[in-house]
Amino acid sequence: AQSVSQHNHHVILSEAASLELGCNYSYGGTVNLFWYVQYPGQHLQLLLKYFSGDPLVKGIKGFEAEFIKSKFSFNLRKPSVQWSDTAEYFCAVNDYGGSQGNLIFGKGTKLSVKP
Amino acid sequence: DSGVTQTPKHLITATGQRVTLRCSPRSGDLSVYWYQQSLDQGLQFLIQYYNGEERAKGNILERFSAQQFPDLHSELNLSSLELGDSALYFCASSVEGGWGYNEQFFGPGTRLTVL
Repeated sequence: AQSVSQHNHHVILSEAASLELGCNYSYGGTVNLFWYVQYPGQHLQLLLKYFSGDPLVKGIKGFEAEFIKSKFSFNLRKPSVQWSDTAEYFCAVNDYGGSQGNLIFGKGTKLSVKP
Repeated sequence: DSGVTQTPKHLITATGQRVTLRCSPRSGDLSVYWYQQSLDQGLQFLIQYYNGEERAKGNILERFSAQQFPDLHSELNLSSLELGDSALYFCASSVEGGWGYNEQFFGPGTRLTVL
């Protein structure tokens, strides 16, 4: 079965530090990849998505992610974090080749940004 | 605001009881997904409906059931509730419901507390 691993449970950074959150998935076929963010007390919001084309995708709020097929990875990056980026980040995969449209989520990475 | 609405926002009930959670998808979306977010399991897919028909099933307990009505709103029924059912229940919707690109938009969630 498809699975998603997020390497860091909790990341603490100071403002202006660079961010990289790891995400690996298990399926070797065609996938759609997503990063969602959940701000405290709020619902999940889509940060960015990849489904084909340029493996470097840019999302909202200065986030970007790189799809590396050979490594089954889709890491999220931001060059300079802000206090307002404090949130939980979820990587998700939609198995393109499967019969289901649901998303499989990683366990999430909590990001705390110190002002 | 994603356009997906969920009611109620909070629900507190006792073990053994039955509750119904309601979700209205974005206008035009035919597919509804239910997810459970708990501290130990993370975000897990429960069930998907597409245009009134069950499309996919995930880690949904037999005590739980769902349906999608002709107006496309969906209800998730949780019965014989146990303490471990306490969680945040998210609904998401998408235009399509299966193969290929499948961006899902999430509602604000219903927080269920079982005492």
